[in-house]
Amino acid sequence: AQSVTQLDSQVPVFEEAPVELRCNYSSSVSVYLFWYVQYPNQGLQLLLKYLSGSTLVKGINGFEAEFNKSQTSFHLRKPSVHISDTAEYFCAVSETNDYKLSFGAGTTVTVRA
Amino acid sequence: SQTIHQWPATLVQPVGSPLSLECTVEGTSNPNLYWYRQAAGRGLQLLFYSVGIGQISSEVPQNLSASRPQDRQFILSSKKLLLSDSGFYLCAWTQIRGGETQYFGPGTRLLVL
Repeated sequence: AQSVTQLDSQVPVFEEAPVELRCNYSSSVSVYLFWYVQYPNQGLQLLLKYLSGSTLVKGINGFEAEFNKSQTSFHLRKPSVHISDTAEYFCAVSETNDYKLSFGAGTTVTVRA
Repeated sequence: SQTIHQWPATLVQPVGSPLSLECTVEGTSNPNLYWYRQAAGRGLQLLFYSVGIGQISSEVPQNLSASRPQDRQFILSSKKLLLSDSGFYLCAWTQIRGGETQYFGPGTRLLVL
């Protein structure tokens, strides 16, 4: 079975600064990787996903993530954040032969002016 | 396009009362359907998933049950709520073929008092 570790529970950042959210996973088979964002009292919205191919994945709202198979990581980055990026971010993994997702505990990003 | 609905949006129930949460998906056929619970400050825990009408798989033993009476309807129930059932309940769907990506509904906030 797969598992996901999000290394930072809280990330405060100033507006227009870069941000990186770290995600590591463990699995004995090939995986699909996802980042979701959750705004307060809302459902989860897909930011981006890695299924195969290029290891650098671009998503919505200027976010990107890089899949590193040797380090079993899928870190999320944005070069310049806005106040509206304040939210909780979840990394998730599924094995390619099983579409059940395992989620990390989440990282709360707070953007300050 | 596909949309997913959940209701109610918010629910306050006394301990020992019954529960029924509903999830419906529009714009697709034969989806896989999922129920998750998100406790305060924690990640998402998969409760149930369904690959077809009347087919329910339970991921964790608990006080809850699920049913799928129609292709695009997924119901989460309890006969007697516990305090520990409080949380944010999210429904999600995937396409049954090539369905590696889960799409989430807006969620139901349940408070058991």
